[in-house]
Amino acid sequence: KAGVTQTPRYLIKTRGQQVTLSCSPISGHRSVSWYQQTPGQGLQFLFEYFSETQRNKGNFPGRFSGRQFSNSRSEMNVSTLELGDSALYLCASSLSRDDTEAFFGQGTRLTVV
Amino acid sequence: SQQGEEDPQALSIQEGENATMNCSYKTSINNLQWYRQNSGRGLVHLILIRSNEREKHSGRLRVTLDTSKKSSSLLITASRAADTASYFCATPDNYGQNFVFGPGTRLSVLP
Repeated sequence: KAGVTQTPRYLIKTRGQQVTLSCSPISGHRSVSWYQQTPGQGLQFLFEYFSETQRNKGNFPGRFSGRQFSNSRSEMNVSTLELGDSALYLCASSLSRDDTEAFFGQGTRLTVV
Repeated sequence: SQQGEEDPQALSIQEGENATMNCSYKTSINNLQWYRQNSGRGLVHLILIRSNEREKHSGRLRVTLDTSKKSSSLLITASRAADTASYFCATPDNYGQNFVFGPGTRLSVLP
């Protein structure tokens, strides 16, 4: 069974631009969560989708958004990029969000210059 | 929101020694998970322990959970250089809607 796939692996963007990251969950998994990891803040929850619906959102500005498609693939978008958005963005999938393991992708390393 | 807090922040040991990391959390949980992250890469799920379990084993890993003390420990026995990584505990948030990660323990296993 293929793992969680995130694309692209690396990305360099300029301040003010927007970016879209993609996550393909493990087949059969319906819950997809996104996390931002930075040296200063650690792992922080962005949002979680289940069956195309956003069920929970972390404490991030509205520039961060996401969506989930009917095949459970998910995308997250960051508009008007800031230098502080430079981070490793991790996607995790699970069968459901309750009491089950979450499996992470390798992440997308975003650098904003 | 509740958060797991790992201790120590960093640990350096010799190959073959055992490594113990601890995690404390604030409110009642129904499960706790441990993850490993090699430098700059994704997290690898190690083990999930439920609130009605006190101990769980997986290969060289042993996890304990003490709900009365709101703490968990991860023991890696006979460590190897390949175990060098950051280790995180994750607990459900107060609403059970997402995982909250601690800052992690950075383990260095020296050959």
